Amino acid sequence: NAGVMQNPRHLVRRRGQEARLRCSPMKGHSHVYWYRQLPEEGLKFMVYLQKENIIDESGMPKERFSAEFPKEGPSILRIQQVVRGDSAAYFCASSPPRTGVGNEQFFGPGTRLTVL
Amino acid sequence: GEDVEQSLFLSVREGDSSVINCTYTDSSSTYLYWYKQEPGAGLQLLTYIFSNMDMKQDQRLTVLLNKKDKHLSLRIADTQTGDSAIYFCAVLSGTGGYNKLIFGAGTRLAVHP
Repeated sequence: NAGVMQNPRHLVRRRGQEARLRCSPMKGHSHVYWYRQLPEEGLKFMVYLQKENIIDESGMPKERFSAEFPKEGPSILRIQQVVRGDSAAYFCASSPPRTGVGNEQFFGPGTRLTVL
Repeated sequence: GEDVEQSLFLSVREGDSSVINCTYTDSSSTYLYWYKQEPGAGLQLLTYIFSNMDMKQDQRLTVLLNKKDKHLSLRIADTQTGDSAIYFCAVLSGTGGYNKLIFGAGTRLAVHP
């Protein structure tokens, strides 16, 4: 059973371009979380999705950022018109369908975005 | 909002015990976690403790929880060079009924011979 997969592992964009980050959850997991880690900081919650639904996007900037988790395929975190402040490591985590409190989240290796 | 605080650095000698401390503000947190992050890697769950417990031991790891003071600690016995990493304390947010984690900034553990 493969773990959470994220690609690309490293992404370089120039200011104003778009960044698309992909996350494939573990097999059988239907819950996906995105976190952002700025340099020298901890992870900050961005968004929580279930298949085809955004449950909580309270940590996501209102502009330029969007996330989806379609019925088929990976979850996508999309950043439009990137700025230097978007440079960070973006981590995806997944958990199984049972939504009881305390379900472990399994983290992917992250995508390191660098904006030039 | 919820906040989790950790000291940023800890340096220990190989073979000694390491103690990493964490304080949090959300008294309704039910689960508290310790994650390990090695350079360039994702997060590995080391251990967790449920809020009705005071202590949990797992091989070289001991977690202590003082719920009154909202203080969590991770003790690593017989620290090895392979333990050098960043250790994150995380608490489960008390709202929503799902696993929204609030992380501290991480403690960078350096183990020297």
